[in-house]
Amino acid sequence: QVQLVQSGSEVRTPGASVKVTCKTSGFRFTSYAIHWVRQAPGQRPETLGWINVGNGYAKYSQKFQGRVTFTRDTSASTVYMELNSLQSGDTAVYFCARRGVSTITPYFDYWGQGTLVTVSS
Amino acid sequence: SYELTQPPSVSVSPGQTARITCSGDELPKEYVFWYQQKPGQAPVLVIYKDNERPSGIPERFSGSNSGTEVVLTIAGVQAEDEADYYCQSTDRNGDFVVFGGGTRLTVL
Repeated sequence: QVQLVQSGSEVRTPGASVKVTCKTSGFRFTSYAIHWVRQAPGQRPETLGWINVGNGYAKYSQKFQGRVTFTRDTSASTVYMELNSLQSGDTAVYFCARRGVSTITPYFDYWGQGTLVTVSS
Repeated sequence: SYELTQPPSVSVSPGQTARITCSGDELPKEYVFWYQQKPGQAPVLVIYKDNERPSGIPERFSGSNSGTEVVLTIAGVQAEDEADYYCQSTDRNGDFVVFGGGTRLTVL
């Protein structure tokens, strides 16, 4: 079955970086795009961007451009999200999600379980 | 930036019908998707392409997009349906998803 399994919770100090892992299984990895979404406590989900796993092309939300990087390891069916220059406002649960293919409009048919990133001095 | 608007809360008794609305200027031209999120869990897709249900989602969940009104309907609400519900569409370029503010469904 389709699974996206994320790495565990992280705590960072302001100015530091964090790298979150999303290991996938149960589907043809290179045929999909993987999106990253974060959700601060009590807030709506917010998109960071996405990566086309097949060719490695990544597109970043303007809000995070220059501060976030998506990479992938096709041999391990794994996608990575690295966020730099962390501030307290980056404290949130970060999700990876598989983009569905029923329509050109982006949406998510499977999600990782989420990774809590806490930024505190 | 493009925003979707939902009512903050909806309350219904078990067995009644819950209607959750979503509004946004581009919705008449775009598909809408709905997610259910329970505390401490990832969202789960319950409706895609306005009115289609993924496999495993109960028939009591349905969606509609008339161009002027977008609605998630849960008929015969059960206690297990208590959750936050988010509508989702896309930005004007079609590159990124946009979520509504979420509606907390309370089953009385």
